[in-house]
Amino acid sequence: DIVMTQSPDSLAVSLGERATINCKSSQSLLYSSNDKNYLAWYQQKPGQPPKLLIYWASTRESGVPERFSGSGSGTDFTLTISSLQAEDVAVYYCQQYYYDPYTFGQGSKLDIK
Amino acid sequence: QVQLQESGPGLVKPSETLSLTCTVSGVSVTSSYWSWIRQPPGKGLEWIGYVYYSGSTNYNPSLKSRVTMSVDTSKNQFFLNLRSVTAADTAVYYCARDPSFKYFDSWGQGTLVTVSS
Repeated sequence: DIVMTQSPDSLAVSLGERATINCKSSQSLLYSSNDKNYLAWYQQKPGQPPKLLIYWASTRESGVPERFSGSGSGTDFTLTISSLQAEDVAVYYCQQYYYDPYTFGQGSKLDIK
Repeated sequence: QVQLQESGPGLVKPSETLSLTCTVSGVSVTSSYWSWIRQPPGKGLEWIGYVYYSGSTNYNPSLKSRVTMSVDTSKNQFFLNLRSVTAADTAVYYCARDPSFKYFDSWGQGTLVTVSS
């Protein structure tokens, strides 16, 4: 199975500051035929299901605030929150959907400093 | 607006079968692939498998020998059966929509299933 490793496991960022979460895949998620990276990001708040934020590594899901952005290619990816808001406190997961079975990172917990 | 709702027993005895239903509203179950994903308490997410309305399925090899998924288009529902459960199968079980690319854009609220005698 493809191993997705996120870093850090937890982070605390001040309101209005930038938050960055990294995700590394054990194999490349870039499909050369369509130049797409098969990587998604989710946000999970306590007691709630995950919510899709980003797919194709950098495409923001409809309704997701512009402060959320995804970048990276191949095996290394980043989720950036440009200006942290209180409602962004959550656990964030990356997921690869290139290889079967589809696998998730272990999660990164984001808190307010 | 797509809505998904899981239902089923919250407690299952060891060695028995866990059976869950996901009721879809807002779209036809024939429009997408549908997955089950689980999350043990305090832990991460594990994809269990998907089903398509045609009956096509794909299961995580780690669970393949115990899993069956199916669809009832007349009721706009899909189903999960997990046989021979143990305490390790205790988790919140989510149903989710896959818009054909194997990421998940709509999720149910999840249902906690505890395996215990």
